[in-house]
Amino acid sequence: EPEVTQTPSHQVTQMGQEVILRCVPISNHLYFYWYRQILGQKVEFLVSFYNNEISEKSEIFDDQFSVERPDGSNFTLKIRSTKLEDSAMYFCASSVSRGQPSYEQYFGPGTRLTVT
Amino acid sequence: GDSVTQMEGPVTLSEEAFLTINCTYTATGYPSLFWYVQYPGEGLQLLLKATKADDKGSNKGFEATYRKETTSFHLEKGSVQVSDSAVYFCALRNQGGKLIFGQGTELSVKP
Repeated sequence: EPEVTQTPSHQVTQMGQEVILRCVPISNHLYFYWYRQILGQKVEFLVSFYNNEISEKSEIFDDQFSVERPDGSNFTLKIRSTKLEDSAMYFCASSVSRGQPSYEQYFGPGTRLTVT
Repeated sequence: GDSVTQMEGPVTLSEEAFLTINCTYTATGYPSLFWYVQYPGEGLQLLLKATKADDKGSNKGFEATYRKETTSFHLEKGSVQVSDSAVYFCALRNQGGKLIFGQGTELSVKP
C-alpha cells in the first residue's frame, strides 16, 4: 500500500540554525500539507500546497517558513532560523484532491524536531 | 472560525468496556468529519470518516455518526481492547481542504 514517508525521523538542531524537513507524498497525489504537533497539544495546520503554489497558510507559517517541491517526488519544509518554540512533531500529508468528500489526507510518520 | 472540541482525557477503561469520546464542531458550510488515531510513537492514521449529515463512519468496531442538528461526531466502541490504547483526534475538513483538529483524547485500556 502506498504511503507518505518523511525524513529524518528525528532532527536535533541549535537555535538559529536552518532545517529542512523532507517528505515524499504518495505518487499520484496532487495536494500536499504540513501540520505540526507541539508535545501534548493539538495537531495544527501550517500550509497547503498545490500546483507549485501555496494554497493556504496559517498564522504560524510566517516568513521563517517556506515550502518547496524541488522535483517530482519530494516536498520540503524549511525553517530558516529555528526558535525553541519550533520544537514539535511535523507531519506531512497528501491527498488526491482537496474538496472531494471522499478524498482523505494520508499522513506520514512525522519528523520530531528538537531545537536546543 | 471553524473549530473542533473534544472531551478531555485521559480516559481509562477496563477491557471490554464501552467507549464514548465526545466531539463537537463549529463550521461554516458542510465539512467532512474524521477521527484519526495516534498510537504511541507513531503518526496519524485515519480511523473513520463521514462526509455528510447522518452518515455513519465505521472501522475496526469503532463508529461515529455525523449529527448536523447537534454539530457532533461522537466516537463509540462497544468493547474496547488493550490494543485500542492511543490518542484519538476528531477533525473536520473545511472547504479549503485543511484539517482542523480537536485537542486529542488519550485512551488507556487496562486488562
